[in-house]
Amino acid sequence: KAGVTQTPRYLIKTRGQQVTLSCSPISGHRSVSWYQQTPGQGLQFLFEYFSETQRNKGNFPGRFSGRQFSNSRSEMNVSTLELGDSALYLCASREHTEAFFGQGTRLTVV
Amino acid sequence: AQSVAQPEDQVNVAEGNPLTVKCTYSVSGNPYLFWYVQYPNRGLQFLLKYITGDNLVKGSYGFEAEFNKSQTSFHLKKPSALVSDSALYFCAVRDQDDKIIFGKGTRLHILP
Repeated sequence: KAGVTQTPRYLIKTRGQQVTLSCSPISGHRSVSWYQQTPGQGLQFLFEYFSETQRNKGNFPGRFSGRQFSNSRSEMNVSTLELGDSALYLCASREHTEAFFGQGTRLTVV
Repeated sequence: AQSVAQPEDQVNVAEGNPLTVKCTYSVSGNPYLFWYVQYPNRGLQFLLKYITGDNLVKGSYGFEAEFNKSQTSFHLKKPSALVSDSALYFCAVRDQDDKIIFGKGTRLHILP
């Protein structure tokens, strides 16, 4: 089976812009979670989608949003980008217990 | 609240020596616990998990972890460290909402 695929791998955006990141889960996995990784804060949970419904949400502002499509692919969107949004964004898919991660999207906000 | 703590930011071990990366958890009920490893500019790779059963869990690359309910710990171990084990290690727990939350990570340096 193919692993979790995230696109793009790298992004550079300007403050105030918006960005959309994409994640294709492992075939058959219905749960997709998103995490933000920064050196100071570690891995912070953003949200989780299961069968097109948001099942869990972390403590991030409303500028961070996501959705999941019927084929389980997921997107996350960040609007009005701030410098502090620069991070590695990781997507993980799972069916039951353990999660499997993509390689991440490195977002740099300038 | 469910949480997991990794008390060491960094651990240094000489090649060939045994290694331990510490993790403690706080959950209600029976914990589902995980260890992941991250190499530079990569996502996280699953190493092993504890759900139930034997307290010693074996995983990938020769790693194992010991579940200790009385000490609420789930330390990662390896009998003989390799330089290639140098990476960032994360302990994680599945919380009561079924989401997986992570510790802050421990950077492991294996010295040649």
